[in-house]
Amino acid sequence: DIQVTQSPSSLSAVVGDRVTITCRTSQSVTLYVSWYQQKPGKAPQLLIYSASRLQSGVPSRFSGSGSGTDFSLTITDLQAEDFATYYCQQTWNGPRTFGQGTKVE
Amino acid sequence: DVQLVESGGDSKQPGGSLRLSCRASGFKFDDYMLHWVRQAPGKGLEWVAGINAKSDFIVYRDSVEGRFTISRDNAESSIFLQMDSLRPDDTGLYYCAKALGAGFVGGTYTFQAWGQGTLVTVSS
Repeated sequence: DIQVTQSPSSLSAVVGDRVTITCRTSQSVTLYVSWYQQKPGKAPQLLIYSASRLQSGVPSRFSGSGSGTDFSLTITDLQAEDFATYYCQQTWNGPRTFGQGTKVE
Repeated sequence: DVQLVESGGDSKQPGGSLRLSCRASGFKFDDYMLHWVRQAPGKGLEWVAGINAKSDFIVYRDSVEGRFTISRDNAESSIFLQMDSLRPDDTGLYYCAKALGAGFVGGTYTFQAWGQGTLVTVSS
């Protein structure tokens, strides 16, 4: 199975900050990475697919980059509603594994 | 709007069985792969099983293979998860999720829409 490792596991930020979360896979997944946001008591929401494609309706302050084994999610000008847990997921093969999550608080 | 509504979660003893349901609306149901994804209390996300539009491609994670069965009824816009030989580590919130679509890189396993989840607790 492909292992997915996110860092950091949590971070502290304030409104207006630029925040970057990284995701590393144990083998190359080319561009097959998606990112989700989950707020407490709610289902996850898709933010980014294909490593850098913004899902419809998602604010443009969210962006994704990377290829191969190293990926990142960046939030520019962090807003109050962005405090949440973020997960990356490899969609390449096998059980489509998620990272352990990054809590932005 | 896409809507997915799960039901059927309950508390069971180890070794028991449960059948989860997910009713969908707001999209052409028989064009999309659907999945079950679970989340143990306070933990991360774990993909469980997926089924394609025609039910001729079905996949499971290793830990549920042989114990869980995913199925769908396109006429009823519903998918199901029959869970047998339940174990305590099956405990969690089970989400039904709609794939983004085959036209996108990774789209069949990217989860564009999620239900609100149904809670399964396995404990003696």
